[in-house]
Amino acid sequence: DTEVTQTPKHLVMGMTNKKSLKCEQHMGHRAMYWYKQKAKKPPELMFVYSYEKLSINESVPSRFSPECPNSSLLNLHLHALQPEDSALYLCASSRYSGDGDEKLFFGSGTQLSVL
Amino acid sequence: LAKTTQPISMDSYEGQEVNITCSHNNIATNDYITWYQQFPSQGPRFIIQGYKTKVTNEVASLFIPADRKSSTLSLPRVSLSDTAVYYCLVGPGPYGNKLVFGAGTILRVKS
Repeated sequence: DTEVTQTPKHLVMGMTNKKSLKCEQHMGHRAMYWYKQKAKKPPELMFVYSYEKLSINESVPSRFSPECPNSSLLNLHLHALQPEDSALYLCASSRYSGDGDEKLFFGSGTQLSVL
Repeated sequence: LAKTTQPISMDSYEGQEVNITCSHNNIATNDYITWYQQFPSQGPRFIIQGYKTKVTNEVASLFIPADRKSSTLSLPRVSLSDTAVYYCLVGPGPYGNKLVFGAGTILRVKS
């Protein structure tokens, strides 16, 4: 199984809502990532979990809250978002073997619209 | 982190070979070079990875000169379905997995 599964595929939320994005992988990977991608732009790194601990936070606003309940699951909790947060949110995983040859495996993303 | 520079866009015709070059002047000793392909509204997909010299797989070749300051992705005999954005990543960086995308190259294949 080389899949990263993201749910939901589409999400529309108001600025006062609380929602969560979910990501799951069963490849035994020990690093998991959240990227944000605006239209016609490259993916922008948000968070990295390594061995279930938050290792990288790219100065993301606190209205985005990541969580890694176990080695297979990654969540992104959303609260009080702004319309400019509308984007494709991508989850990825990698082995994190320490050899340097990391390869990212991506899910198909959640297309988020904030009204 | 090693910054990457790629052409913004390239046009080609079906059946031609396409070469996309990525510049990464400050690549670190432990960094690998990895290329990804992305179609609209999908996550990027791994194409090929290398450290030095030449790597070939069933879809592409990757050429890396001795100084490793650049790399070239070669796509043989492209088809319309190869129209996509291609990203060159250099990493893993000092944390071991800070994998940051550059601007990418839009490849348009025409019939």
